Amino acid sequence: DTAVSQTPKYLVTQMGNDKSIKCEQNLGHDTMYWYKQDSKKFLKIMFSYNNKELIINETVPNRFSPKSPDKAHLNLHINSLELGDSAVYFCASSQPGAGQYGYTFGSGTRLTVV
Amino acid sequence: AQSVTQLGSHVSVSEGALVLLRCNYSSSVPPYLFWYVQYPNQGLQLLLKYTSAATLVKGINGFEAEFKKSETSFHLTKPSAHMSDAAEYFCAVSDGNTDKLIFGTGTRLQVFP
Repeated sequence: DTAVSQTPKYLVTQMGNDKSIKCEQNLGHDTMYWYKQDSKKFLKIMFSYNNKELIINETVPNRFSPKSPDKAHLNLHINSLELGDSAVYFCASSQPGAGQYGYTFGSGTRLTVV
Repeated sequence: AQSVTQLGSHVSVSEGALVLLRCNYSSSVPPYLFWYVQYPNQGLQLLLKYTSAATLVKGINGFEAEFKKSETSFHLTKPSAHMSDAAEYFCAVSDGNTDKLIFGTGTRLQVFP
């Protein structure tokens, strides 16, 4: 049973479209995250939610909107997709005190904008 | 602000040779440090973590790392490389007061037969 699952695994879409990526965790963690990994493998945090409340909102275009319907789910909606949005997006979750315990990551969603 | 620097974006070793992947950190407070591994087309998997309990930390798959405060380093080692160790390795730091992990730029490990 997958601990952190993301769907879809691959997403190919045209510029200007709107798309969503879904994430679910069954670990009972309170905090969930979205990270973006670019073509050079650099990982950068985008958002984090703690029990449905937005905690971290890095400098991300407002075309990106996270939504957390409950603490087990964190979805990422992207409006007006651009070529530069092509990347792998990782969802992760953690128990309180992630600074000590680290994260559990999903397997990623590879977004390709054409 | 916390940060990590991974020296060497690519490391190549022969099967059976020592693996050494370097990570230096910058932190104004005692850090929590992590090594993650990413196999092709997969997510990141925690290899090991330093949380001040012991300076030599043992992880999965025979990897270990030593925290050296005087050198602000947390290098990852494995005595004998296997072909299956070929992957991308990331060092990460947290200040322990927030839930944010800051990742290094990664080191790709290649293992040759």
